[in-house]
Amino acid sequence: SAVISQKPSRDICQRGTSLTIQCQVDSQVTMMFWYRQQPGQSLTLIATANQGSEATYESGFVIDKFPISRPNLTFSTLTVSNMSPEDSSIYLCSVEADRVGGYTFGSGTRLTVV
Amino acid sequence: QQQVKQSPQSLIVQKGGISIINCAYENTAFDYFPWYQQFPGKGPALLIAIRPDVSEKKEGRFTISFNKSAKQFSLHIMDSQPGDSATYFCAASKGYSTLTFGKGTMLLVSP
Repeated sequence: SAVISQKPSRDICQRGTSLTIQCQVDSQVTMMFWYRQQPGQSLTLIATANQGSEATYESGFVIDKFPISRPNLTFSTLTVSNMSPEDSSIYLCSVEADRVGGYTFGSGTRLTVV
Repeated sequence: QQQVKQSPQSLIVQKGGISIINCAYENTAFDYFPWYQQFPGKGPALLIAIRPDVSEKKEGRFTISFNKSAKQFSLHIMDSQPGDSATYFCAASKGYSTLTFGKGTMLLVSP
């Protein structure tokens, strides 16, 4: 299955600033997914990113807050904009694995907003 | 509305024992049910998955039991080991759509 490199692995950011998280995959994939995992909680899908088109956002997530880029078939970025402490979470990117229906996840970016 | 309910929230099992985690779903259109294992500081990793045409699937010490009529499925970890200590998530999807995750179970296997 695909190997995902996600950067940064963790960061501490000031309220009101923005952070861009990078996700690099070692093979070409059609769709990439961004998830949020709040402390001790489950994974919530933020958006689906297809190369060459605008990302599709889930209910409760908007492009102004979480802009996503997908410039090619192996790379995507998620920006967390105008951060508040409520944005403190682990952010994970994911791609569909070789097995139909299975997904591979990156190691995540642990974000703390102070 | 939570579509996949997972229990228990946490679980402590002695080494060598059986760990059992349960999930229930609401959407009868779901047709793919994976379990993910997550260690601290890592992303979730696919552990085992099942489709509703079978009632059980076993891979090594890990078994999924599936009850379509009850809309429930469970993960059994036989001969649990300290290295199995992790958070386990059940999930469900329809076709090739994105996954809906349960809230997770933190498993601790005591030596």
